[in-house]
Amino acid sequence: GENVEQHPSTLSVQEGDSAVIKCTYSDSASNYFPWYKQELGKGPQLIIDIRSNVGEKKDQRIAVTLNKTAKHFSLHITETQPEDSAVYFCAAGYGYSTLTFGKGTMLLVSP
Amino acid sequence: EAQVTQNPRYLITVTGKKLTVTCSQNMNHEYMSWYRQDPGLGLRQIYYSMNVEVTDKGDVPEGYKVSRKEKRNFPLILESPSPNQTSLYFCASSLWRQDPTDTQYFGPGTRLTVL
Repeated sequence: GENVEQHPSTLSVQEGDSAVIKCTYSDSASNYFPWYKQELGKGPQLIIDIRSNVGEKKDQRIAVTLNKTAKHFSLHITETQPEDSAVYFCAAGYGYSTLTFGKGTMLLVSP
Repeated sequence: EAQVTQNPRYLITVTGKKLTVTCSQNMNHEYMSWYRQDPGLGLRQIYYSMNVEVTDKGDVPEGYKVSRKEKRNFPLILESPSPNQTSLYFCASSLWRQDPTDTQYFGPGTRLTVL
């Protein structure tokens, strides 16, 4: 089955800095790679996703890159703000029935 | 407001006492699923359902049951809970029509403690 590794497990940045979270996956058949943000006491919320036919996708301060050859994808957050502090999860799979999640990255943005 | 609701939000119970965690969505979604979240392990899928009366096992189905008699509801049943089922549980749903990668909406979570 799919195996997703996510690094780092914690990331501390100063407000305004950029943050990068990286994930690798094992199953070359995976074609869907979403990222979720989980705030304290809440369920995960989809923030951006990318499919295997695209190499990069941006949405305001958030971007995701995908390297299918190397089987890794990354989340980039620019101009971080304190409200970006949360746990971020990557996932890989083929549709929702086979999504495998990474173990999560706790991002702390200090004012 | 479009949402996924779960009840209860917190539950402390004892080993062997049957319990049900309810999940309901008001978005007419076809796809629903249950996950458990444990420290250091991330989210793992327990069961999922692609439509009424259609359910299938996820990665960690042992010790759990589900049913999908109505489109909006997808209860998670623990017939004989054990301490290793102490966890944070999330229900999720998505439209699933033609695109299996439709946005998945998560409920607020149910924190279960089995003593």
